[in-house]
Amino acid sequence: GENVEQHPSTLSVQEGDSAVIKCTYSDSASNYFPWYKQELGKRPQLIIDIRSNVGEKKDQRIAVTLNKTAKHFSLHITETQPEDSAVYFCAASRTNAGKSTFGDGTTLTVKP
Amino acid sequence: DAGVIQSPRHEVTEMGQEVTLRCKLISGHNSLFWYRQTMMRGLELLIYFNNNVPIDDSGMPEDRFSAKMPNASFSTLKIQPSEPRDSAVYFCASSRTQGHTEAFFGQGTRLTVV
Repeated sequence: GENVEQHPSTLSVQEGDSAVIKCTYSDSASNYFPWYKQELGKRPQLIIDIRSNVGEKKDQRIAVTLNKTAKHFSLHITETQPEDSAVYFCAASRTNAGKSTFGDGTTLTVKP
Repeated sequence: DAGVIQSPRHEVTEMGQEVTLRCKLISGHNSLFWYRQTMMRGLELLIYFNNNVPIDDSGMPEDRFSAKMPNASFSTLKIQPSEPRDSAVYFCASSRTQGHTEAFFGQGTRLTVV
């Protein structure tokens, strides 16, 4: 089955700096890669996703890059703000298979 | 749509008691996931249904745990008998199998077994 590894497990940055979280996956058939943000005491919610037919996707301060050859994808947050502090999860799945395999999560702390 | 709805939001029970967690899917979704989240183990997939049929229950910890999907919009996760180590936040999530497979999570049930 799919195995997703996520690094780092914790990340602390100063407000305004950039943050990068990286994930690798094992199943070359995976073609859908969502990122979820979970604030303290709340549910995980999708913040951005990318499919295998593109290499990069951007939404305001958030971007995701995908390297299918190397089987890794990354989340980039620019101009970080304290409200970006949360746990971020990456995931990988095959479209039509339904089930996503999640990484172990990265706790991001943005210091004001 | 109100999203994925879980009940109860909080449950405190004594060891040995039966616990039933409930989940209502988003209309039109046909995949249903039960997750357990703890500080030690992170987010664990317990079981996954597609079109009301259990597809993968390899994450169910032991026979004390059981899950059902009596219809296309509702699921239950039962723990009998409950133990203190079952204390966790249990999330239910649903998605459309075809195409866009974002998982929409419910608010979670915080279970405490004393």
